[in-house]
Formats: sequence, C-alpha cells, structure tokens
Amino acid sequence: GAVVSQHPSRVICKSGTSVKIECRSLDFQATTMFWYRQFPKKSLMLMATSNEGSKATYEQGVEKDKFLINHASLTLSTLTVTSAHPEDSSFYICSARLSLGRSYEQYFGPGTRLTVT
Amino acid sequence: AQSVTQPDIHITVSEGASLELRCNYSYGATPYLFWYVQSPGQGLQLLLKYFSGDTLVQGIKGFEAEFKRSQSSFNLRKPSVHWSDAAEYFCAVTGTASKLTFGTGTRLQVTL
Repeated sequence: GAVVSQHPSRVICKSGTSVKIECRSLDFQATTMFWYRQFPKKSLMLMATSNEGSKATYEQGVEKDKFLINHASLTLSTLTVTSAHPEDSSFYICSARLSLGRSYEQYFGPGTRLTVT
Repeated sequence: AQSVTQPDIHITVSEGASLELRCNYSYGATPYLFWYVQSPGQGLQLLLKYFSGDTLVQGIKGFEAEFKRSQSSFNLRKPSVHWSDAAEYFCAVTGTASKLTFGTGTRLQVTL
C-alpha cells in the first residue's frame, strides 16, 4: 500500500515552454502533497506544500508564478513549470501524506527528470 | 528551526561488513525521525521511522536505527552489508508541522 506515482518519469522540453508533472496517490487519499527539487548529488529541497482544495504554500525563494501547483483532488497534484529555462533542469520528486492517521509519514514518488534545452 | 546533519558524505564498506551511518538532528520538541534510501535516478524508499516508544527501531532490508535523545542522534546500522545496499541514504526529521527536513545524504559504496 501507500504507492505514489509520477508522470512523466523523464521529460525534455525547449526553453520557454511549459511542462506539467503529475503526482498521484494510487491507493490512498492524500490531503497534503509535497513537491521537492533535487540537484545532482544534493539533498532534497522542499519547494511547496500542496493542500487539496486550497492554494499551495511555497517555501522561501521559490517563485509561485513559475512553479504552479494544483491539488484538485485527494489523489492528484500537479506541478507546472512555466516558461522553463535550462536552470530549471532538475529532478523533481513529490510525496503524499496519508489523510487519516500516521500523518507524519510521507510516501515518495519515483521522481521526474526534467531537462530544458 | 529543525535541521539534520549527516557528517559522512561518502562511506565505503566491504560486502559482509557492518555499517553505521550517522545522523544528528536539531529540533525543539519530540522529533519524528526517518531514514530513506535512494538508488540512482529513483525516488526515496522509507527504511524505518521513529515516532515514540522503543528507541531501537527495526526497518526493512535488515536495517535498524537507535534514537538517542541525549546525543540528538538517530544512527542507522546494518550488521552485514550486501552489494545491493549501495545507494544514497538520507536521514530526515519532522515535527507537528509535518515538513520533512533532510540531511545532505551519505553515499554508500560497497566493495566486493
């Protein structure tokens, strides 16, 4: 149980275009999902906390107009990188927190490798 | 503010040898502690967690960790390492806000 999927696993896009990454909790409901960014050989940096039905909460230094987050249902959150640039190339990982009980556990998706050319 | 320190960036052990990965945390109240493992290009897999109770917690793949409040530590151990354990290991802490703070990770290399 507690499986989180991400789609796509890899994406290459041209500079200036937008790309959407989906994060789904497959067998549980997730009131809260989190989006992380991981640079090569670095730790995970929390970008934003996504709550179902409300606006996402962004961490300091993360541009909310560039990284659009939508959490429209209890099983789906999306991250859209708008007007992508090469410096946005990174590994993006989402996680989901169980809505009922064990609220401190997060289950992670397999990640999405974004390359902006 | 909460923080996690993993002092060892890179560790190499021989297959069959024991392993200990260090983790020190800073948190003002009772912490919730986790160890995750990440293989190259993959997401994170939860190895084990500590919420309360017994300070020695058992996880998957033969890993265990001990919470020592007096030392603010949560070190990960395995008595006999397998070549498949080679990966990046992250220690993390959270509290009631449920925002995970990760350490910088320890890369484990296993020699045959």
